[in-house]
Amino acid sequence: QVQLVESGGGVVQPGRSLTLSCAASGFTFKNYGMHWVRQAPGKGLEWVALIWFDGTKKYYGDSVKGRFTISRDDSKSTLLLEMNSLRVEDTAVYYCARGLELLENWFDPWGQGTLVTVS
Amino acid sequence: DIQMTQSPSSVSASLGDRVTITCRASQNIGSWLGWFQQKPGKAPKLLIYATFTLQTGVPSRFSGSRSGTEFTLTISSLQPEDYATYYCQQAYSFPLTFGQGTRLEIK
Repeated sequence: QVQLVESGGGVVQPGRSLTLSCAASGFTFKNYGMHWVRQAPGKGLEWVALIWFDGTKKYYGDSVKGRFTISRDDSKSTLLLEMNSLRVEDTAVYYCARGLELLENWFDPWGQGTLVTVS
Repeated sequence: DIQMTQSPSSVSASLGDRVTITCRASQNIGSWLGWFQQKPGKAPKLLIYATFTLQTGVPSRFSGSRSGTEFTLTISSLQPEDYATYYCQQAYSFPLTFGQGTRLEIK
């Protein structure tokens, strides 16, 4: 079955960097666009970034553009999110999610999430 | 950016009730609208995409509709497992944006 497992979260000081990983299994990773979505404690959902199935296009939310970089390693079926210049307001649970086939702007399923605390 | 406005922010309903949640887009998004369900402590789950299309495995009591820039999620007969928070999301243009959520509670 499809499984997405995020890792790399933790506590980090403002201005520092952190890289999140999402290990994918149960499907052909290189065929799918992949997303990061975050949720601040007690708040709603905020889309963070998308990388196309072939890595040729990347899109970002306004609040992370220029600071975060999404990438993928198809040889390891792994999605990455490099987060630089972290701010207190980046504190959230970060989820990775698989884009739908041919409709990658929707996403399902999601991983269980990894918590990033900037403090 | 496209703003998505959900209403109500919370609703109380009883088992078996019909419930409707509305989402309005700040501009035309065609049928590029999806709905997610999130239960406490869990990751969200896609219920409906492209306004009407049920994701695989989603019960048929869930349905979606559209009138212009206003979209509706309807649950025809509430079941115990439906108590959750629901989010709409536009997939028309980047950045992708969500509504603020509607919490569905037991009456």
